[in-house]
Amino acid sequence: QVQLQESGPGLVKPSETLSLTCTVSGGSISSYYWSWIRLPAGKGLEWIGRMYTSGSTNYNPSLKSRVTMSVDTSKNRFSLNLSSVTAADTAVYYCVCSPPYDSGTYLAWGQGTLVTVSS
Amino acid sequence: DIQMTQSPSSLSASVGDRVTITCRASQTITNYLNWYQQKPGKAPKLLISAASSLQSGVPSRFSGSGSGTDFTLTINSLQPEDFATYYCQQTYSTPPTFGGGTRVEIK
Repeated sequence: QVQLQESGPGLVKPSETLSLTCTVSGGSISSYYWSWIRLPAGKGLEWIGRMYTSGSTNYNPSLKSRVTMSVDTSKNRFSLNLSSVTAADTAVYYCVCSPPYDSGTYLAWGQGTLVTVSS
Repeated sequence: DIQMTQSPSSLSASVGDRVTITCRASQTITNYLNWYQQKPGKAPKLLISAASSLQSGVPSRFSGSGSGTDFTLTINSLQPEDFATYYCQQTYSTPPTFGGGTRVEIK
């Protein structure tokens, strides 16, 4: 069974770039869709974007100008960069896995990592 | 973006109760609707996909129904481990969007 683990700084300064990595174990990173989803305190879940191991990506239009995702198949991990962050980007960030036949259904989730944007 | 509206936003129920949560989409999504359960400090867990397909390992007291714009998650005979927040999600179009969540609390 695929397991995911997020890692990265828990505190990021305003205007800087948030960088997170998701390490995949228990299966190959190939042949799946990989997405990032976040949960701001007191709010609902927000989809950030997804990528396939071919390199194709889709980003939420509301964040598209600031988001970059990448995958490193040799290390079985994928990454999220979110630039020019503000306090509104404070949230628990999850990496998630979807099957290729249903990229919007999230079968496996990381435990989540809290990222706080503050000076 | 398709807006997903859940109701109620929270409810109190007792062990053994039957609980119904509704989810409405701002436009038709046929049956492209998933339900997730999230417990405090944990990641969401997929319960139901395609509006009514129960995931492997999920107790049969959970069921989903609906199509088009109106959907329902039902929990028959609520158990102590079911107290959590439930989210609906549409996968009909990009970006996938979630409902605001329904928190099920102990009465």
